Amino acid sequence: EVQLVESGGGLVQPGGSLSLSCAASGFTFNTYAMNWVRQAPGKGLEWVAGISGSGASTNYADSVKGRFTISRDKSKNIVYLQMNSLRAEDTALYYCVKDHEWWIRGWFDSWGQGTLVTVSS
Amino acid sequence: VMTQTPLSLSVAPGQSASISCKSSHSLLRSDGKTYLYWYLQKPGQSPRLLIYEVSNRFSGVPDRFSGSGSGTDFTLKISRVEAEDVGVYYCMQSIEVPITFGGGTKVEIK
Repeated sequence: EVQLVESGGGLVQPGGSLSLSCAASGFTFNTYAMNWVRQAPGKGLEWVAGISGSGASTNYADSVKGRFTISRDKSKNIVYLQMNSLRAEDTALYYCVKDHEWWIRGWFDSWGQGTLVTVSS
Repeated sequence: VMTQTPLSLSVAPGQSASISCKSSHSLLRSDGKTYLYWYLQKPGQSPRLLIYEVSNRFSGVPDRFSGSGSGTDFTLKISRVEAEDVGVYYCMQSIEVPITFGGGTKVEIK
């Protein structure tokens, strides 16, 4: 059974940094692309970033490009999201999401429970 | 841009419901696949995949859910709505990055 467990969320001041982790299990980790999707309180879904199975290819939403970095550690089966220069509008529940292919296909077949990031002074 | 209508829907049990999703450009790729997906987020839960590539039901999805459409216009239909179908339905395109979701359609039971 696929399991995705996010951690690292919390309260951070504007301009600060936070690193999210997603521990993956139940599948061959480096075979599938991984993504982060966020949901601001009471709002819809927003894709944030994706990384290919090998880690060689990454993509970002325009709203986070240059501030967020997605990476993965195949030895630990963990996906990371390093978030810098955080803004109030980054406040959201961040979901770790498994893709169905090695590339960022958008076929999101498994979702974690999410970790909450709050950016506030 | 992905535009979903209606914003909300109230349906009596056993009746059908349809949700429209329109893309600002064609979602048909050169590989012949159309990169349009439907997700459902039930209250208090993480989203889950319902339909992939327009009309294919994901594993475990009841056959009362069906997807149709082509190019830029797509529809999710729920036949014989049940109480467990309440939640927010999202369409999503992944033909290009950034991947984008529709604004969501909230389905309630009368």
